[in-house]
Amino acid sequence: LAKTTQPISMDSYEGQEVNITCSHNNIATNDYITWYQQFPSQGPRFIIQGYKTKVTNEVASLFIPADRKSSTLSLPRVSLSDTAVYYCLVALTGGFKTIFGAGTRLFVKA
Amino acid sequence: GAGVSQSPRYKVTKRGQDVALRCDPISGHVSLYWYRQALGQGPEFLTYFNYEAQQDKSGLPNDRFSAERPEGSISTLTIQRTEQRDSAMYRCASSPQREGRDTQYFGPGTRLTVL
Repeated sequence: LAKTTQPISMDSYEGQEVNITCSHNNIATNDYITWYQQFPSQGPRFIIQGYKTKVTNEVASLFIPADRKSSTLSLPRVSLSDTAVYYCLVALTGGFKTIFGAGTRLFVKA
Repeated sequence: GAGVSQSPRYKVTKRGQDVALRCDPISGHVSLYWYRQALGQGPEFLTYFNYEAQQDKSGLPNDRFSAERPEGSISTLTIQRTEQRDSAMYRCASSPQREGRDTQYFGPGTRLTVL
C-alpha cells in the first residue's frame, strides 16, 4: 500500500480557503485518493475521492496533478466548525486494508 | 436511515478479562472493517470482512484478538485476557461494495478501558 505524508497541523482563520497537501509517491495505477474528516469523539467521515485532475463536491475540491504523486484538498471559506483532523488515504481498487496515517489537524480561528 | 451502531459505547474491564465488542453495520452493506484508534492517532486497521468471510486479519495485533461475522451482518470483535495496552477506541465501519476505495461509514466506536 502506498504511504501518505501530510502536514501534522495547520491553522487558519474563518472565511479563508485552506489547502492541505498529501504526498503519495508510491501510488499505483489502480489506486484512488480519498479524504476523510474526523471531529473529536466521532468516527471519520468521507469528504471526497478522486483519481486524477480535479473533483469538486458541495464540501471540497480535490486537485490531483498528472503524476498523481500528491493531492491537495481544498476547503473554501472555512468556518470554526471545520476544525477537525483530515486524513488522506490511498485505496486500492479491489483491496481492503486501509491505512489512515496520523492526519492533518486543522484549527480554524475566529 | 440508520447508520453503523456499536455497543457498548464504553467498556471498563479488569486486566485478564475477556471482552466482546459488537458492530451493527448499515443494512445491506457488504464490507465491514474493524479499526483501533489511540488518542491523537489515526484509525489502525485490524480486520476486514466481505459478507461473512474474513478476508484480511493482518492488522490483528496477536492471537488474543479475534473477530467474526457469522451471518454477514453483525460482527463481534473479541479480546481475550485483556491487557492495559488494549485500552483504546475500537471503531467499526461498513461500506456497500467490495471495493477498497468505497466510502466507509463509521460507527461511534467503543471506548475500552482496561484497568
